[in-house]
Amino acid sequence: DADVTQTPRNRITKTGKRIMLECSQTKGHDRMYWYRQDPGLGLRLIYYSFDVKDINKGEISDGYSVSRQAQAKFSLSLESAIPNQTALYFCATSKTGYGYTFGSGTRLTVV
Amino acid sequence: KQEVTQIPAALSVPEGENLVLNCSFTDSAIYNLQWFRQDPGKGLTSLLLIQSSQREQTSGRLNASLDKSSGRSTLYIAASQPGDSATYLCAVLYGNKLVFGAGTILRVKS
Repeated sequence: DADVTQTPRNRITKTGKRIMLECSQTKGHDRMYWYRQDPGLGLRLIYYSFDVKDINKGEISDGYSVSRQAQAKFSLSLESAIPNQTALYFCATSKTGYGYTFGSGTRLTVV
Repeated sequence: KQEVTQIPAALSVPEGENLVLNCSFTDSAIYNLQWFRQDPGKGLTSLLLIQSSQREQTSGRLNASLDKSSGRSTLYIAASQPGDSATYLCAVLYGNKLVFGAGTILRVKS
């Protein structure tokens, strides 16, 4: 099994719908992140969490919310999806002294 | 502002060639530096992690160096293969913030 698992892998949704992307990890890392990747814009940080009770906004948090259900689980929600949220979304984990581990990504298309 | 720049933006080489990818960063107060590989539409695979106190790391045909004083890192790929074709990303950790370069798109021709 992958160290960082994202579900779903692909999703097409309609404008205005609520959608949740899920992430779980078996690394035992305390820190978890959500990024989005767009062509020409690189990776941008949406939210991050350093432990279950800690949630922080990243560069582009507007239109998104997160929930850290357990040390191993971190979900990203789009409350009312819009077309410019079409992107590749990545979950990542880290731990002090270690590098980042990324999931395989969720390709989200909002039509 | 903490910025990471990767040169070249794209590189095409024949199979078997040794090559060097460059990464430069504006702030030398780094915690560590990580090189990733990304295949089109796929996730990021960690290749090498260099802590700020280290000068280089090696894994198979890959060698990454770090020179904090000059704000540079290089990724050396020996005897390149078509399977090495991908985008290579350099990422620098400043405290709690990971800053990515835009990447180098590598194509190895058979």
